[in-house]
Amino acid sequence: EVQLVESGGGLVKPGGSLRISCAASGFTLINAWMSWVRQAPGKGLEWVGHIKSKTDGGTTDYAAPVKGRFTISRDDSKNTLYLQMNSLKTEDTAVYYCTTVWTEIVVVVAYDAFDIWGQGTMVTVSS
Amino acid sequence: DIQMTQSPSSLSASVGDRVTISCRASQSISTFLNWYQQKPGKAPKLLIYAASSLQSGVPSRFSGSGSGTDFTLTISSLQPEDFATYFCQQSYSNLYTFGQGTKLEIK
Repeated sequence: EVQLVESGGGLVKPGGSLRISCAASGFTLINAWMSWVRQAPGKGLEWVGHIKSKTDGGTTDYAAPVKGRFTISRDDSKNTLYLQMNSLKTEDTAVYYCTTVWTEIVVVVAYDAFDIWGQGTMVTVSS
Repeated sequence: DIQMTQSPSSLSASVGDRVTISCRASQSISTFLNWYQQKPGKAPKLLIYAASSLQSGVPSRFSGSGSGTDFTLTISSLQPEDFATYFCQQSYSNLYTFGQGTKLEIK
């Protein structure tokens, strides 16, 4: 079965750090672009950032609210994605989902979408 | 960043109804628009990509249309399992952004 499983969420104080993980099974991450998407309680979805595959350079992009505080990395040998979160704020409280960035070619144009999703891990930032 | 605005924010409808949800982008995004369905406590599920292409396994009562800045998700005949929250998302810029969501409730 193809799945993503997040882990490592929990309660952390403002200003603190936390690393969450996303383990893939049933497929290999090595050629996949991967994203993190979060959802604050009762709110909508917010893209956090993504990491390209190593063959595409392995570079990262981040949403403005987390840029400079969050770092996405990958260990393809462990088939695992990571999100290192530093200088956490109360507004970072959310369920964090990892997701594959799936690319489909439609009439010679490449379209991206979030295809496989994990079940999410809750991160609570509170004193 | 490209802003995505959905309307309405919530919608009440009955089983069998035809429903449309709108999504507007703050700038032209061609057809780089995806739609997702999310049920309470669950991860989102991809329904439509490239504005109008149905993801594999998604029922044909779901359809998408639009290009440029204005897009529509249509459910032709609502089924009980369709009551959920729907999000649009642009992939024109790889600083991806979502709409705020439309909650579809049973009337």
